[in-house]
Amino acid sequence: RKEVEQDPGPFNVPEGATVAFNCTYSNSASQSFFWYRQDCRKEPKLLMSVYSSGNEDGRFTAQLNRASQYISLLIRDSKLSDSATYLCVVNLGGNQFYFGTGTSLTVIP
Amino acid sequence: NAGVTQTPKFQVLKTGQSMTLQCAQDMNHEYMSWYRQDPGMGLRLIHYSVGAGITDQGEVPNGYNVSRSTTEDFPLRLLSAAPSQTSVYFCASSQGQFREKLFFGSGTQLSVL
Repeated sequence: RKEVEQDPGPFNVPEGATVAFNCTYSNSASQSFFWYRQDCRKEPKLLMSVYSSGNEDGRFTAQLNRASQYISLLIRDSKLSDSATYLCVVNLGGNQFYFGTGTSLTVIP
Repeated sequence: NAGVTQTPKFQVLKTGQSMTLQCAQDMNHEYMSWYRQDPGMGLRLIHYSVGAGITDQGEVPNGYNVSRSTTEDFPLRLLSAAPSQTSVYFCASSQGQFREKLFFGSGTQLSVL
């Protein structure tokens, strides 16, 4: 069983739309949680950490449900520049980061 | 700061050849790791290190060796390359264990023929 499972996508949405990505993790001892963004043929870059209380960064909102082992990312008012692959990442501690397979987002003009 | 520097960017090997992927960071990070990324598989952890002289295996360690003789460097060695090792490889580092973000190198595209 994979440590992290994500929506397969791809998601194709018009500019201005709201889109949500979901992710589940299998290890209840997971310590910390993140969303990374990866542009085509580039290295992943941190989008935001995910906290138990939920957190927001501009148009992006992340939620964590430890009881259900579920993580989500909501993007409001999608921009063309949001087109990328979004990776759900879980840290088991000791630098053991596990990545989901990623969800591809294309924002259409 | 250069951050995380990976070399080479591209490499083509024949089956059975050996090579070393280089990774260096100048941020004095204790934690370093290697990932491979394959279509439909996401990034998978190969090996990681929590400090100089300490390494451990990740999800997919077979066919790869690592060492960490200094804080800055974390090379990945392929002793006898196989076509199944064709992939994009990323090196990453982080300062702490939990909330610290990963800093990635720009990746190495490796093809084994």
